[in-house]
Amino acid sequence: DAGVIQSPRHEVTEMGQEVTLRCKPISGHNSLFWYRQTMMRGLELLIYFNNNVPIDDSGMPEDRFSAKMPNASFSTLKIQPSEPRDSAVYFCASSGTGAEKLFFGSGTQLSVL
Amino acid sequence: DAKTTQPPSMDCAEGRAANLPCNHSTISGNEYVYWYRQIHSQGPQYIIHGLKNNETNEMASLIITEDRKSSTLILPHATLRDTAVYYCIVRVDNYGQNFVFGPGTRLSVLP
Repeated sequence: DAGVIQSPRHEVTEMGQEVTLRCKPISGHNSLFWYRQTMMRGLELLIYFNNNVPIDDSGMPEDRFSAKMPNASFSTLKIQPSEPRDSAVYFCASSGTGAEKLFFGSGTQLSVL
Repeated sequence: DAKTTQPPSMDCAEGRAANLPCNHSTISGNEYVYWYRQIHSQGPQYIIHGLKNNETNEMASLIITEDRKSSTLILPHATLRDTAVYYCIVRVDNYGQNFVFGPGTRLSVLP
């Protein structure tokens, strides 16, 4: 099992550019979560999906952020336009039926200049 | 908002037991206690979880008080590689419930 796979590992972009982060959950898992981590705010839940349907997006900071899960094996988090305050590590995680354990990817380190 | 309270930091001598406390005084009857840890720059890693009975696995032991208002994670023989931030989380064990992470406890294992 390859675990949760995120890409890219690192992203450096300029303010105003569109950024797309990608996540492949563990096969068979039906819940997917996007988190953001900064020194100031810690680990924040942005949005989570069950069976590809967004359940709670109350953590999405503003309309510049959007997330999709077109199928059970792929999700994207898009920021358009990006701003320097979006700089953070973005984690994707997945869990299976019963949701006992949350498995995290290695994260994407985003730097917006 | 996180439903748990943990000390911000703790030290432990290498080879000794590390006992990490967590208060969850408002826990509901159907909420489980989960522990995760995050080693620098990595994604959080699951350690253990329980409802009301004490639990043990290859990584740690979880002791939950009888009234379930607090718990302790025990690393029996801490090593330098156990230095990490440890998160205590309470949640209902079904999908549709998200994991809310608080600031956790930063454990430093000292040689």
